[in-house]
Amino acid sequence: GAVVSQHPSWVICKSGTSVKIECRSLDFQATTMFWYRQFPKQSLMLMATSNEGSKATYEQGVEKDKFLINHASLTLSTLTVTSAHPEDSSFYICSASPKTDTQYFGPGTRLTVL
Amino acid sequence: GESVGLHLPTLSVQEGDNSIINCAYSNSASDYFIWYKQESGKGPQFIIDIRSNMDKRQGQRVTVLLNKTVKHLSLQIAATQPGDSAVYFCAEPHHSKLTFGTGTRLQVTL
Repeated sequence: GAVVSQHPSWVICKSGTSVKIECRSLDFQATTMFWYRQFPKQSLMLMATSNEGSKATYEQGVEKDKFLINHASLTLSTLTVTSAHPEDSSFYICSASPKTDTQYFGPGTRLTVL
Repeated sequence: GESVGLHLPTLSVQEGDNSIINCAYSNSASDYFIWYKQESGKGPQFIIDIRSNMDKRQGQRVTVLLNKTVKHLSLQIAATQPGDSAVYFCAEPHHSKLTFGTGTRLQVTL
């Protein structure tokens, strides 16, 4: 149980294009989903927290107009990187939380912006 | 401010030996900690957790020790195997958000 999937697992795009990453909780309902970014050899940095049906809460320094988050249902959240640039290349990881203090992580999405 | 940090960035252990990964925290009010394992190119995987009303918790081949006096916790892996090679993070939930430490890379040598 408690499986979280992400799609795609990797994506390469041209600079200036937008990329959408999906995060799904497969066997449970997630009241809250989180999006993290991880650069090579670094720790996970929380980007934003999203609750189903409401606007995401972004961490300080994360541009909400660049990283659009939609949490349309209790099993799906999407992260759209708009007008991507090479510095946005990173490993994006989502997690889903069925209850407080419990997070199940997805396998991550490797984004490379050329 | 609050922080969760690790003492060593890389730990090299011979297969079959025991591994000990350390983590320090600064908030004395912290009452719950989680250890995660992250293999290369994958998301973090829950290993074990511990609440502050305990000082030791055991799982399968893993043990977490919590010393509240010095605000330190450790993850012990018994009979380390090649499949244990990964980065290990301690993390602390706070208001449902997780704060991750910097991570320790465990390298298992044959």
